[in-house]
Amino acid sequence: GAVVSQHPSRVICKSGTSVKIECRSLDFQATTMFWYRQFPKQSLMLMATSNEGSKATYEQGVEKDKFLINHASLTLSTLTVTSAHPEDSSFYICSAIRASVTDTQYFGPGTRLTVL
Amino acid sequence: QKEVEQDPGPLSVPEGAIVSLNCTYSNSAFQYFMWYRQYSRKGPELLMYTYSSGNKEDGRFTAQVDKSSKYISLFIRDSQPSDSATYLCAMSSGSSNTGKLIFGQGTTLQVKP
Repeated sequence: GAVVSQHPSRVICKSGTSVKIECRSLDFQATTMFWYRQFPKQSLMLMATSNEGSKATYEQGVEKDKFLINHASLTLSTLTVTSAHPEDSSFYICSAIRASVTDTQYFGPGTRLTVL
Repeated sequence: QKEVEQDPGPLSVPEGAIVSLNCTYSNSAFQYFMWYRQYSRKGPELLMYTYSSGNKEDGRFTAQVDKSSKYISLFIRDSQPSDSATYLCAMSSGSSNTGKLIFGQGTTLQVKP
């Protein structure tokens, strides 16, 4: 149990376009989801915390107008990278916490974004 | 100074060796300490988590936390080639281990047959 999926697993886009990444909890309801970014050979950096039905909380230095997060249901959160640039190329990973169960964050498999 | 420091390695050991992975941290408010394993181009997978100080054992894995020294360790006994991956330590303060996680850089481990 506690499986998190992401779609797409890999995406290549042109500079200036927008890209949407989906994060789904497949077998549980998630009141909270997190979005991380990981550059090559670096650690995971938290970008934002997403709570179902409310606005996301962004970490310092993360542009909320550039990285749009929507958590419309208990099983789905989306991250939209708007007007993507090559420096946005990275590995984006989401995680989810099971509603009413305090155990740990379950991570998705990640999405590799390459902006040309 | 980073809140969590972890030697990126790479660390190469022969099959069957005991592996020691470590992290140091600076924030005394951290209460939950976790170790994740990440295979190339995959999401992290939770291996162990420990609350406050002490040891925890699960099969070939042992996690140790020394809050007085702000130092945590993960030991892998009888290492296998399948253990080859990047190991990330992560820490959290607050009332549960589901809060904001601060990750170390990750140590790349290679276990040679």
